[in-house]
Amino acid sequence: GQSLEQPSEVTAVEGAIVQINCTYQTSGFYGLSWYQQHDGGAPTFLSYNGLDGLEETGRFSSFLSRSDSYGYLLLQELQMKDSASYFCAVNKRGNNRKLIWGLGTSLAVNP
Amino acid sequence: KAGVTQTPRYLIKTRGQQVTLSCSPISGHRSVSWYQQTPGQGLQFLFEYFSETQRNKGNFPGRFSGRQFSNSRSEMNVSTLELGDSALYLCASSLPPNRDPSTDTQYFGPGTRLTVL
Repeated sequence: GQSLEQPSEVTAVEGAIVQINCTYQTSGFYGLSWYQQHDGGAPTFLSYNGLDGLEETGRFSSFLSRSDSYGYLLLQELQMKDSASYFCAVNKRGNNRKLIWGLGTSLAVNP
Repeated sequence: KAGVTQTPRYLIKTRGQQVTLSCSPISGHRSVSWYQQTPGQGLQFLFEYFSETQRNKGNFPGRFSGRQFSNSRSEMNVSTLELGDSALYLCASSLPPNRDPSTDTQYFGPGTRLTVL
């Protein structure tokens, strides 16, 4: 089978650091992506990890460990505007690559 | 460069009717994917089209169908609507599939909010 697990909700305060984990039960994938979706908006791409390790983009970092079947999105210096849903997705190997999505994590940033 | 556009943005239908949703991808993008999003269910993959051919398909009943035109624009159709079909339908475009999976990044349109009464 194939599935990705993320916490359904996370709460943090402005200025803090939060880590959103993504564990997967799928074999044979190319990489792990993260998308952000604000209420009423469309998902937007945040990051892609094709290799194990940490990728940093400003306040956001993403990490992948294939040996641990685990990845995470790290958000630093949280701002109110970071309140959104965050989805992890893997690029599944096969005759035709496709994305397998997690159910998303709703992040609430409080003052 | 213009983003992904979807029409209509909002739609209200009654049970048993059918509906057609339209998606225009970003210029140069030839892959189009469709998703259904309902609260608590995340992004449920419907299907993906590339070069007018369905490349991948999710686990939805045959009432859900799609097609892609030569200009890469895509439509999806839902026949015999049910109350449970009420959802946000998202279209995403991406570059043509190639050897580099990092280019599979999807760019989403604003979605069509379908309400079935």
